[in-house]
Amino acid sequence: GESVGLHLPTLSVQEGDNSIINCAYSNSASDYFIWYKQESGKGPQFIIDIRSNMDKRQGQRVTVLLNKTVKHLSLQIAATQPGDSAVYFCAEKGNTDKLIFGTGTRLQVFP
Amino acid sequence: GAGVSQTPSNKVTEKGKYVELRCDPISGHTALYWYRQSLGQGPEFLIYFQGTGAADDSGLPNDRFFAVRPEGSVSTLKIQRTERGDSAVYLCASSLTGGGGEQFFGPGTRLTVL
Repeated sequence: GESVGLHLPTLSVQEGDNSIINCAYSNSASDYFIWYKQESGKGPQFIIDIRSNMDKRQGQRVTVLLNKTVKHLSLQIAATQPGDSAVYFCAEKGNTDKLIFGTGTRLQVFP
Repeated sequence: GAGVSQTPSNKVTEKGKYVELRCDPISGHTALYWYRQSLGQGPEFLIYFQGTGAADDSGLPNDRFFAVRPEGSVSTLKIQRTERGDSAVYLCASSLTGGGGEQFFGPGTRLTVL
């Protein structure tokens, strides 16, 4: 399938290293944040979420950090694997049910 | 179990034509969302259904775009008088109850308007 984005910011990491993907969100009233992974030709896939009353949440190999003061979100992936290669989007939700997505970051994992 | 499915996977049409894009949500999910994703961009919200009714259609770009969900399950996104700028991947997502629950995305329909 077609690449999700040809001009996205790209993060290149070596297999086994940790990856950190950053995102700035726009609405200080947003209370729920999600990280999605999107592989070429597929829809976004949920990775991890966090609510605004938390500043850190951990999953399996992934950690999300939320800094509400500067409206910044980050996704940390431990021991990055080739299967982690994809485009990663942060999304925010405010007082309605719609998600507002960021621009996205392409993660490339090389051996 | 089956995820969200969308048909067709690809649609090529000519400028000015009418198209319909279909979304089958996960069985039992009451909330359904349509998003549009242009190349190099994140998905942009179009419309959200809770049951049969459109709870938020603020993302529809103009009156050429319309969506229905008559029985609270399958949804159809309809685009009249297509324009080249409508070319994008149209994504559908569903959620068990809405209200902030996880949205599960389908693979999308790639629409190309020539």
